[in-house]
Amino acid sequence: DVKVTQSSRYLVKRTGEKVFLECVQDMDHENMFWYRQDPGLGLRLIYFSYDVKMKEKGDIPEGYSVSREKKERFSLILESASTNQTSMYLCASAQGAQNEKLFFGSGTQLSVL
Amino acid sequence: AQSVTQLGSHVSVSEGALVLLRCNYSSSVPPYLFWYVQYPNQGLQLLLKYTTGATLVKGINGFEAEFKKSETSFHLTKPSAHMSDAAEYFCAVSPSGGYNKLIFGAGTRLAVHP
Repeated sequence: DVKVTQSSRYLVKRTGEKVFLECVQDMDHENMFWYRQDPGLGLRLIYFSYDVKMKEKGDIPEGYSVSREKKERFSLILESASTNQTSMYLCASAQGAQNEKLFFGSGTQLSVL
Repeated sequence: AQSVTQLGSHVSVSEGALVLLRCNYSSSVPPYLFWYVQYPNQGLQLLLKYTTGATLVKGINGFEAEFKKSETSFHLTKPSAHMSDAAEYFCAVSPSGGYNKLIFGAGTRLAVHP
């Protein structure tokens, strides 16, 4: 069974902390994505990566960075967490340029106090 | 640029009734279109997709959607709702050809009552 695993289901952090959200996929997919999900706004793309050490900005990259040192792992980093980054974060992976099917993790609900 | 509009953030139906979730898109190139479903406390799962060919596509759990280019729509339907269909549904679009990324709509939460 294919799997995208996000390291934490719930996280509570303080304003100004550096936060790491980890995502691992076991399908040898080339492409990986980080989305944030907010009520009434759907999913918005933060960053994506189509290869190891490659990354591209999505629609809302401000305040975030990413790291992809290995094919199976894609990390989202909040350099200095702020309250407006309280959200559900979803990681996804896909194979091929067309991304015809994304596989999603269960999400990390991050609260920044 | 691509965008997706889902009409109705909440839809409520009776068990056994028709489910109709509306999605309109804009795209400067022929689109690929998707519906994803999110059950409580889970990630999203692909329900169905349109890439090329037949405009009526069938997905899992009895859902189907029809691509209507003239109306720029990709509405999701199911003839008879089941309690287990209660979830949030997301329509998404991406441009066909070449590397691309999905743009999601805001989502429609479907409630099914007895």
